Amino acid sequence: NAGVTQTPKFQVLKTGQSMTLQCAQDMNHEYMSWYRQDPGMGLRLIHYSVGAGITDQGEVPNGYNVSRSTTEDFPLRLLSAAPSQTSVYFCASSYVSSGSVHDTQYFGPGTRLTVL
Amino acid sequence: TQLLEQSPQFLSIQEGENLTVYCNSSSVFSSLQWYRQEPGEGPVLLVTVVTGGEVKKLKRLTFQFGDARKDSSLHITAAQPGDTGLYLCAGLTTDSWGKLQFGAGTQVVVTP
Repeated sequence: NAGVTQTPKFQVLKTGQSMTLQCAQDMNHEYMSWYRQDPGMGLRLIHYSVGAGITDQGEVPNGYNVSRSTTEDFPLRLLSAAPSQTSVYFCASSYVSSGSVHDTQYFGPGTRLTVL
Repeated sequence: TQLLEQSPQFLSIQEGENLTVYCNSSSVFSSLQWYRQEPGEGPVLLVTVVTGGEVKKLKRLTFQFGDARKDSSLHITAAQPGDTGLYLCAGLTTDSWGKLQFGAGTQVVVTP
């Protein structure tokens, strides 16, 4: 049981390049999400998904695309990287909880991205 | 601006001392969670509080949810070097299901 895996662990891009950050989970969780973490800002939600074929925007979605074709995978795409997207990216998954409580989120180890 | 304000931003104490970290907001939260994050890793859930006034204990860690569900605190008794880490609070407001909001975090360093 690997939990939540993310690849790559580190990446350096030039401005304007595109890339996809991979995220996979083997816990059969319906809910998956992407966050970015910047110094002094905590984690900010980029996009999330409550199941295959369903995605929605979070707090900072501009410049990022997502899709969810399977329960296991939730890739994050940067179409044209900008220096402002330099950050550490975390993927997380959980069961979809009912009501007002968010179920335990399991985080991946993160991808450290630098855009020059 | 952060929906959840954490204080202090940084805390350095000696082993055996007590510490308290605060998480405050002007919004009402239906639930609030505390996570701990170590360098190079993702956050790990410590606790979820749901009811106003609720107190939960996890060994030497005590978590409290404010009566009005707008604030929370984390108290560590007799801190140990293993408590070192970034402590993050995260909340779910009543009109934002699925969108967990995180505070900026409190970096705690416990020296032997």
